[in-house]
Amino acid sequence: DARVTQTPRHKVTEMGQEVTMRCQPILGHNTVFWYRQTMMQGLELLAYFRNRAPLDDSGMPKDRFSAEMPDATLATLKIQPSEPRDSAVYFCASGLSTPFTSRDRGFGLNEKLFFGSGTQLSVL
Amino acid sequence: KNEVEQSPQNLTAQEGEFITINCSYSVGISALHWLQQHPGGGIVSLFMLSSGKKKHGRLIATINIQEKHSSLHITASHPRDSAVYICAVESNYGGSQGNLIFGKGTKLSVKP
Repeated sequence: DARVTQTPRHKVTEMGQEVTMRCQPILGHNTVFWYRQTMMQGLELLAYFRNRAPLDDSGMPKDRFSAEMPDATLATLKIQPSEPRDSAVYFCASGLSTPFTSRDRGFGLNEKLFFGSGTQLSVL
Repeated sequence: KNEVEQSPQNLTAQEGEFITINCSYSVGISALHWLQQHPGGGIVSLFMLSSGKKKHGRLIATINIQEKHSSLHITASHPRDSAVYICAVESNYGGSQGNLIFGKGTKLSVKP
């Protein structure tokens, strides 16, 4: 079965340390999302790529977070320096987006999203 | 006001009951997704729909675009249906096209 692979599953680190999370999207998917989930806020978008180009990273604290897609098989989310308030579960999801036939509707997902298992991050 | 509102927040049902979870949204969308998150934390996409109704096993999802409302129904509920159900809408405006905006989720507990 095709699936989104995220590593690591769990990460415990000390405040100030760098954290790197990795995601391998499903082969053939052109859209990758990074989400963060906390009890208080639920699921929030951090960054999103289509065809490896960053489209929306407005939800990401840019002074410490960075997201990249060095190639179509790898997306990374980096936190440097990490802080206790970054403790959360981080999900990667991938899907296939295609242009809508209607000119003004832009792009959209044309099938369900597939989520990775998440990285549970604890910053002490 | 949140762009995606779900109700109820929590729902307890007896095994076999018919369950309805509602989702209302206030933004323009190209599609709506229903997701399921089990206690272990994994998220599975149940449905993606932009009109009408979809059915998969005991799950039925409907959407009314004019009223900006969707429902997820579970027939003959079972304890294994216990999970958090999350509604998410796919934005169709500006630079956020294709992004998902999430509701807070409905926690369902089905008692045997």
